[in-house]
Amino acid sequence: EAQVTQNPRYLITVTGKKLTVTCSQNMNHEYMSWYRQDPGLGLRQIYYSMNVEVTDKGDVPEGYKVSRKEKRNFPLILESPSPNQTSLYFCASSLEARANYGYTFGSGTRLTVV
Amino acid sequence: GNSVTQMEGPVTLSEEAFLTINCTYTATGYPSLFWYVQYPGEGLQLLLKATKADDKGSNKGFEATYRKETTSFHLEKGSVQVSDSAVYFCALRASNAGNMLTFGGGTRLMVKP
Repeated sequence: EAQVTQNPRYLITVTGKKLTVTCSQNMNHEYMSWYRQDPGLGLRQIYYSMNVEVTDKGDVPEGYKVSRKEKRNFPLILESPSPNQTSLYFCASSLEARANYGYTFGSGTRLTVV
Repeated sequence: GNSVTQMEGPVTLSEEAFLTINCTYTATGYPSLFWYVQYPGEGLQLLLKATKADDKGSNKGFEATYRKETTSFHLEKGSVQVSDSAVYFCALRASNAGNMLTFGGGTRLMVKP
């Protein structure tokens, strides 16, 4: 089944403890992206990647890192999480970066930083 | 920059009622337009899309027409069901913004039996 898989689905952590949220897609998509969803703020893009070894900042990149060493994987790294990073995170991919392609989303990761 | 504005919810309807969720956009160039749906506890799913002016996207009884003259992409369904209860997001994707998908704020739809 074609899908984007994120892990974990739920995570509670403490301030400052490094964590990684994994994202993997099995559709050979070139473009991958991370979003966070917050009440009243909607969905905001954190980082995106047009292809392997090519990443760029979205609207809210502060406090996050990403890497794209392989086409299928696009992990989101929080080096020193803070409570304002408590959010619902979505990974997404599309076949290409062109505008006429929609995204396929993962099921989300609900992160709580205490 | 690009932006999407959609009507605030929640929208509450009875089963079999007609649905319209308004969406307007601001973008340079010729964006592609999308509607996504998010069911409780799940990720976003692509509902329909239109890639050029006057195109009509349709899926599962939902329709939306890309109107360049009014910069709109309103979502409609002739007869809603309880199972349509969800949050609906209008979005655009344009080459002038790194092909990032820009979302509206979402509209919650509640359908009562």
